[in-house]
Amino acid sequence: GQQLNQSPQSMFIQEGEDVSMNCTSSSIFNTWLWYKQEPGEGPVLLIALYKAGELTSNGRLTAQFGITRKDSFLNISASIPSDVGIYFCAGYSLEMNRDDKIIFGKGTRLHILP
Amino acid sequence: NAGVTQTPKFRILKIGQSMTLQCAQDMNHNYMYWYRQDPGMGLKLIYYSVGAGITDKGEVPNGYNVSRSTTEDFPLRLELAAPSQTSVYFCASSPTSSGANVLTFGAGSRLTVL
Repeated sequence: GQQLNQSPQSMFIQEGEDVSMNCTSSSIFNTWLWYKQEPGEGPVLLIALYKAGELTSNGRLTAQFGITRKDSFLNISASIPSDVGIYFCAGYSLEMNRDDKIIFGKGTRLHILP
Repeated sequence: NAGVTQTPKFRILKIGQSMTLQCAQDMNHNYMYWYRQDPGMGLKLIYYSVGAGITDKGEVPNGYNVSRSTTEDFPLRLELAAPSQTSVYFCASSPTSSGANVLTFGAGSRLTVL
């Protein structure tokens, strides 16, 4: 089946540093989504992307829908302690025929060092 | 609005026991989903429903059953609990298919099978 390769698996950064993570796929996607999960909670949507080349910001977060429609990245600028969590990319493809079209990456675990 | 509510939050089961994880949403969403999250493995779809009376298997349905008698509720049943079912379970909902609208997740139910 389709898979999303999300990298890196985990990151250890200093507070104030910028963060970059990405997702790639061998298939074309129509929608890219980025979620954040904090400990003990369910994932919460950060950014949704619907068009190839689209660049969208949400505060210090910026995400882009790759031109090839096979990748997406998420950047976090000037990280702060509350950015800690697991970030998931998710993709949706019209090429599949079932309603469970959305696929999740394995997540990037972000740690911020004091 | 409560959004998506899951109960219980934590549960320990013995091998062979059965139990039901409850999920309710008050957003009048047609689509509901059950995912399981294992460490480092992202989210895997167990079952989903596109409306009351309609359910379908996801990627990892074995060992589970669901029902959707109302729009609001989507319980997940484990008939004979096995250690492999130790995981965190998330229920989610969306107004229409997961590609057109983003998923709203519950806070999760952590299940341990000993």
